[in-house]
Amino acid sequence: AQSVAQPEDQVNVAEGNPLTVKCTYSVSGNPYLFWYVQYPNRGLQFLLKYITGDNLVKGSYGFEAEFNKSQTSFHLKKPSALVSDSALYFCAVRDMGSSDMRFGAGTRLTVKP
Amino acid sequence: NAGVTQTPKFQVLKTGQSMTLQCAQDMNHEYMSWYRQDPGMGLRLIHYSVGAGITDQGEVPNGYNVSRSTTEDFPLRLLSAAPSQTSVYFCASSGGAQYEKLFFGSGTQLSVL
Repeated sequence: AQSVAQPEDQVNVAEGNPLTVKCTYSVSGNPYLFWYVQYPNRGLQFLLKYITGDNLVKGSYGFEAEFNKSQTSFHLKKPSALVSDSALYFCAVRDMGSSDMRFGAGTRLTVKP
Repeated sequence: NAGVTQTPKFQVLKTGQSMTLQCAQDMNHEYMSWYRQDPGMGLRLIHYSVGAGITDQGEVPNGYNVSRSTTEDFPLRLLSAAPSQTSVYFCASSGGAQYEKLFFGSGTQLSVL
């Protein structure tokens, strides 16, 4: 079965600095990869996805992620962090041949002014 | 747009009680799923459905039942609640042109005493 690892429980960055939230995955076939964000007391919201094509994927709110097949990674990045980016971020993977999506444990991003 | 609607938002049960968490979507999505969110464990898939009359188990199905009699509704039943089922439950759906992107409800916070 597919699985996702987010090695960092917490990431702290200063406003205006670049941010990276790490994700590695494991699937038996070709991966569909996703990032979701959760604000307090809310459901998850879709940020971006990788299905096929260009390894650099751009998504909502200035976020982007890079698919690296050799390292089985899909790290989330943003060139300049905002305080409003503070939230819980989840990486998710679905095997192309599967109907269920598996999520990582989540990384709490805190952006300080 | 209503999207994915979950009821109730909060529920307190006593051990051994039964209840049904409701989930409805108005986007004509074929795929629907239930997740539970626990601190440090991210979202874990309970059950999912790829269409009316079809359901399957996810990572943590024990203690939960589902059915899918219509495209719109996907209720989650707890037959005999246990304290280990204290969690936040999210329903999600996907389909149509954005079939690989999950849309989440706002969640149900369940406490089992």
